[in-house]
Amino acid sequence: EPEVTQTPSHQVTQMGQEVILRCVPISNHLYFYWYRQILGQKVEFLVSFYNNEISEKSEIFDDQFSVERPDGSNFTLKIRSTKLEDSAMYFCASSEDRGQETQYFGPGTRLLVL
Amino acid sequence: AQSVTQLGSHVSVSEGALVLLRCNYSSSVPPYLFWYVQYPNQGLQLLLKYTTGATLVKGINGFEAEFKKSETSFHLTKPSAHMSDAAEYFCAVSNANAGKSTFGDGTTLTVKP
Repeated sequence: EPEVTQTPSHQVTQMGQEVILRCVPISNHLYFYWYRQILGQKVEFLVSFYNNEISEKSEIFDDQFSVERPDGSNFTLKIRSTKLEDSAMYFCASSEDRGQETQYFGPGTRLLVL
Repeated sequence: AQSVTQLGSHVSVSEGALVLLRCNYSSSVPPYLFWYVQYPNQGLQLLLKYTTGATLVKGINGFEAEFKKSETSFHLTKPSAHMSDAAEYFCAVSNANAGKSTFGDGTTLTVKP
């Protein structure tokens, strides 16, 4: 069964450093998402992406964040200058369509900012 | 706007007992509703979803949920709990216009032998 994959599974970085989290969505999906989950808290929406542009973003997704689909398969989340509060599990998801269609989640990348 | 409230951050049941995890939603348009399970240090696995049609939906691992529009609820049930059901459960809401999913705070299910 097709699945969303994410790399790396764990990332440790120093405050102020740039990190890039990578995702490979399911191949025929058109919508891509990033969510984050701070330890012990709920899953929060960050951004959705369709047709090579951001379709929606939350207030969390400030200028420090960016997303890109650099080729036909990868979908990346970049954090330019990490802060301690960016430590979280980051989930990528993809879906064939909006809303009704199930979003398939990847296993997540656990980011720790020191 | 859409939101989800999960009543009870922790639920504990005995093995073989009924599991009931509560979820109430708010949505200005017809909602699409989802239950996800998360095992420790793992991703989110879809248990079941409601979009349209039959209001009682069955999912994996013996779970089911009923959409009750009048009560704005989508509670998750399982007749007989198994030790392997111990996990975090998230209810989420979306709609045809929203695209994104909004998650509840989650409920930790503990199953006692």
